[in-house]
Amino acid sequence: DTGVSQNPRHKITKRGQNVTFRCDPISEHNRLYWYRQTLGQGPEFLTYFQNEAQLEKSRLLSDRFSAERPKGSFSTLEIQRTEQGDSAMYLCASSLFPSYNSYYEQYFGPGTRLTVT
Amino acid sequence: DAKTTQPPSMDCAEGRAANLPCNHSTISGNEYVYWYRQIHSQGPQYIIHGLKNNETNEMASLIITEDRKSSTLILPHATLRDTAVYYCIVRVNSGGGADGLTFGKGTHLIIQP
Repeated sequence: DTGVSQNPRHKITKRGQNVTFRCDPISEHNRLYWYRQTLGQGPEFLTYFQNEAQLEKSRLLSDRFSAERPKGSFSTLEIQRTEQGDSAMYLCASSLFPSYNSYYEQYFGPGTRLTVT
Repeated sequence: DAKTTQPPSMDCAEGRAANLPCNHSTISGNEYVYWYRQIHSQGPQYIIHGLKNNETNEMASLIITEDRKSSTLILPHATLRDTAVYYCIVRVNSGGGADGLTFGKGTHLIIQP
C-alpha cells in the first residue's frame, strides 16, 4: 500500500518540549496538507504546500507551529514549547493538483496522536 | 465555503439503506458538495462529490435537491464497517478550491447488527 504515512503514530511529551512529526505523501502528489483534530471535533486545516512552496500558513495555530517540505516530498510539522492544549491528533493529507478528474480528493494518513503531559 | 448542518448522530440497521442528510442553504453556484467519512482511529476518507446532478459510485449515492440547498448521502446496504463519522463539506472546485477542507462535527452513523 503506497498511501499517506505518518510517523510516529503516537507521541507523549512533557510540557515545554519540542516535537516534530513526519508525513510521507503519496509519491506523485504535489500538494500536502496538515490538519489538527481534537476530541469530538472535525479536522481543522492548518497549512498546505504545493511542492516545496508553503501556500497557506495563516491558519497555523500560533508561532510555535511551523511546517516544512524542503524537497517537495515528505513534510515535517514542528511544535515548539508544547502546551497541554496541543494534545490532539495531527493529520496529514495529500492530493494531485491539477487533477485529471477535475476534482481535488485529499488522501489522509492515519495521523499522529500527541499527548502533552 | 458555505456552512453545512448535519444531525450529530444516526442509527441504521445492518443491511438497510443509510440516508444521511446535510443542509447547505447558503451554497453558491460554483460550490460542490463533498462527503468524507472517518472511521475510528483513522484519517478521513473521500466518499463522493457532486455539483447539481445526482452521483453514484461504488461506495454511495449522492442526491442533491434541485435548489441545491440540501443533499443526502445514501449507503445502499449498510454494514458494520460503515460505522463512522460522516462529514458533508461544501467548497469551490477551482484552483483556489484545492486548499484545506473545512470540516464540521459531522454525523456519527452507528450501524446496528
